[in-house]
Amino acid sequence: GAVVSQHPSWVICKSGTSVKIECRSLDFQATTMFWYRQFPKQSLMLMATSNEGSKATYEQGVEKDKFLINHASLTLSTLTVTSAHPEDSSFYICSAHRGRMNTEAFFGQGTRLTVV
Amino acid sequence: AQKITQTQPGMFVQEKEAVTLDCTYDTSDPSYGLFWYKQPSSGEMIFLIYQGSYDQQNATEGRYSLNFQKARKSANLVISASQLGDSAMYFCAMRGEDDKIIFGKGTRLHILP
Repeated sequence: GAVVSQHPSWVICKSGTSVKIECRSLDFQATTMFWYRQFPKQSLMLMATSNEGSKATYEQGVEKDKFLINHASLTLSTLTVTSAHPEDSSFYICSAHRGRMNTEAFFGQGTRLTVV
Repeated sequence: AQKITQTQPGMFVQEKEAVTLDCTYDTSDPSYGLFWYKQPSSGEMIFLIYQGSYDQQNATEGRYSLNFQKARKSANLVISASQLGDSAMYFCAMRGEDDKIIFGKGTRLHILP
């Protein structure tokens, strides 16, 4: 079964509204989670690293005020797309690692966001 | 800076043939991990195989094997006896000492009946 669960799997929202996406590690504690964005026919681009109990660290070019990340517990990270616009429409996917430098990197099912 | 390069945007392969998907990488980290993921049209990332930088032997998982050539910084994926269900997008990825995983641009594999 899924080790990392992401919700919702798809969402349609109006321009100007905010959307929250949840990423949960189901059977392990994750002090760090990662958020990616994938445009159609493109690769996964790392947006930010979510750190439990502290601020997220964002990759270059990612607006931290636009993409709010909260990692309030060891099993939950949330990504909020604020004041969404059509250009924010994309596939968002999270990941969590159960250990370091090994094979245990798990991805959520992804969230397809459409802003109309 | 770390980088993953996949030079094959798309490939067409006859069913039951073997296929090799190319991947080269660049990193200054002494320790790193290399992954291959399959992404079908549903979007989920399906883990296929992992190779640690200090692993002496090439990784194998069923029909998947990773041809790891450390000196050349390449980590090609070999799929033996391809099946129609193998049609998907394939991503090579690397995990560095900062724990981040970065991805190549991917290769779209089409298996022909």
